[in-house]
Parts: sequence; structure tokens; C-alpha cells
Amino acid sequence: KNEVEQSPQNLTAQEGEFITINCSYSVGISALHWLQQHPGGGIVSLFMLSSGKKKHGRLIATINIQEKHSSLHITASHPRDSAVYICAVMGDSNYQLIWGAGTKLIIKP
Amino acid sequence: EPEVTQTPSHQVTQMGQEVILRCVPISNHLYFYWYRQILGQKVEFLVSFYNNEISEKSEIFDDQFSVERPDGSNFTLKIRSTKLEDSAMYFCASSEASGKTIGSYEQYFGPGTRLTVT
Repeated sequence: KNEVEQSPQNLTAQEGEFITINCSYSVGISALHWLQQHPGGGIVSLFMLSSGKKKHGRLIATINIQEKHSSLHITASHPRDSAVYICAVMGDSNYQLIWGAGTKLIIKP
Repeated sequence: EPEVTQTPSHQVTQMGQEVILRCVPISNHLYFYWYRQILGQKVEFLVSFYNNEISEKSEIFDDQFSVERPDGSNFTLKIRSTKLEDSAMYFCASSEASGKTIGSYEQYFGPGTRLTVT
């Protein structure tokens, strides 16, 4: 059983569309991370949150602790947003980041 | 902006050989991590390290693996006798503090070392 589930696995959209990627988890957490992995493999941390909502530019991340669910939204999507977006949770009983399988996003011009 | 660096970017080795992957974490960070990603699979936690000792390790991190902070800047992952299944991208990360402190801290990732075992 996967402790972190993401949906969808793949998402293709047109430039300008509003994008939503979902993450559900089954363990107690101290924080949830959203990360971006570029085609070359590099990983960049986008957000780390333990409650509520955070916004950076066109990216918005929300988390509902009671429902064990988080969403990552991208407004006015652009081809440069094309990447794999990964949800990972830090358990509340250890130091280990548990990773989701990622959502591969392709934004077409 | 400070960044985590890793060397080499790509390492090819023969099965049974020892490899050392090197990382230079961000200078004021206290926690260091190694992750691996087998091609086409999800990223997996290997080990976390704080105050010169291992804080947590996963089931993957068996006796063939070891980590060390040999000086004030480097953080290394050693694989003693490589196997074909060790072929993967290995990422180092660092953070100011761990997830268990009040308010978790972001982890900053290096660009990765692609290890190919032949």
C-alpha cells in the first residue's frame, strides 16, 4: 500500500489552463512537501506546508490535515511549467521523507 | 544563492567495485540526507545524518552503504560492493533542521549523481 498517492499520473494541458495536482497520504505527518523534478533529473523544493495554504507566484499549495489531502495548483500555465511534480511527506515519528510517484505535467503552447 | 553540489555528475563502475559519491551541503545546514531514484521509479529515502551520526535509515540502507562527514564541508555516501541494482540517480539534500523540530524545514537538493553499474 502506497503511503503517498498522487493523481493524476500524467496531465497534458494547453497553455493558460488552470492545473490541479492532488496528493493523498495515509500516515501522520509533520509537513508535506511539493517538489518539481526537471527532465534532467534535478529536484527543486516548491513548498513545504503543515497547514492552510501557501502561494509563490503562479503556484498555490493547500493542505487539509483532517482529510490528509493536499493540492498543488498552477494558474496561467506555461510550457516552462512542464515537469514532474512530486508530493512528499515528512512523517511525524521519523525523519524520513516519503515520496509520491509524481505527476508528469506537459503544457502545450 | 547557496546551493548543494554533488560530484561526480555521472559515475560508471563495474559490479563489485566501491564507489564514493560526494556532496557539499549548504554551509549553515545541520541535517543531511541521501536519496536514490532508480530510473522510472519514485525517489526513495536512504539515510539522514545529524551531528556526525545517522539519524534515520531506510531498509535499503544496508551494510553495503555508509555515510561520512570527513571534514567540515563534505558529506559522502559510500557503496562498498556495487550491484547492478544500485544503478540509480543519487541525490544529496540538506536542511537547517529536521522535520521533527517545531516547524519543518525545507530540504535543498543537489543536482544528483547518476551511478551506472555494469
